[in-house]
Amino acid sequence: AQTVTQSQPEMSVQEAETVTLSCTYDTSESDYYLFWYKQPPSRQMILVIRQEAYKQQNATENRFSVNFQKAAKSFSLKISDSQLGDAAMYFCAAVQGAQKLVFGQGTRLTINP
Amino acid sequence: DVKVTQSSRYLVKRTGEKVFLECVQDMDHENMFWYRQDPGLGLRLIYFSYDVKMKEKGDIPEGYSVSREKKERFSLILESASTNQTSMYLCASSSAQTSGRYEQYFGPGTRLTVT
Repeated sequence: AQTVTQSQPEMSVQEAETVTLSCTYDTSESDYYLFWYKQPPSRQMILVIRQEAYKQQNATENRFSVNFQKAAKSFSLKISDSQLGDAAMYFCAAVQGAQKLVFGQGTRLTINP
Repeated sequence: DVKVTQSSRYLVKRTGEKVFLECVQDMDHENMFWYRQDPGLGLRLIYFSYDVKMKEKGDIPEGYSVSREKKERFSLILESASTNQTSMYLCASSSAQTSGRYEQYFGPGTRLTVT
């Protein structure tokens, strides 16, 4: 069975600094998608960034980028120039067969002003 | 924009009650999902549906059932609520087309408390 592990329950960063959230996964599939989702306090979960495993280039969305290490099965999220609005729970997820997602345990990110 | 709505943000029920959680999406998505979210455990899949009247068990289906009579609506049913079902429940939908790239769109969640 596919598993996704986030080993950092909580992280904090100073506003305007850079922070990296870790994620490792285990899959036997050769082609798959990986995601980072953000869940702000009392608000809806939204997609932050997507990585397609067959693409070697790391995905980037504005201040958000990933470090995808396929051999190591690692998929970390880097947030540059952290802003107060980045404070949220962040979930790493991987596609499982039949278009299901498997989620990690989540990392709560705090931004210190 | 895709919109996924859930019938209640907060719900308080008594042990043994039958509970219905409703989810509606407006993007004609084939796939719909029910998760529960608990601290330290992330999101765990309860049930999902890839078509009207079709359903499949997820990782933690015990104590739950689902219904999908219309494409846009997916209901989660707790036949006899128990205190260990106190949790946040999230509904999601996704397109079955590969162009959708498996992205799931989430509702705001229902925080259920069973007393």
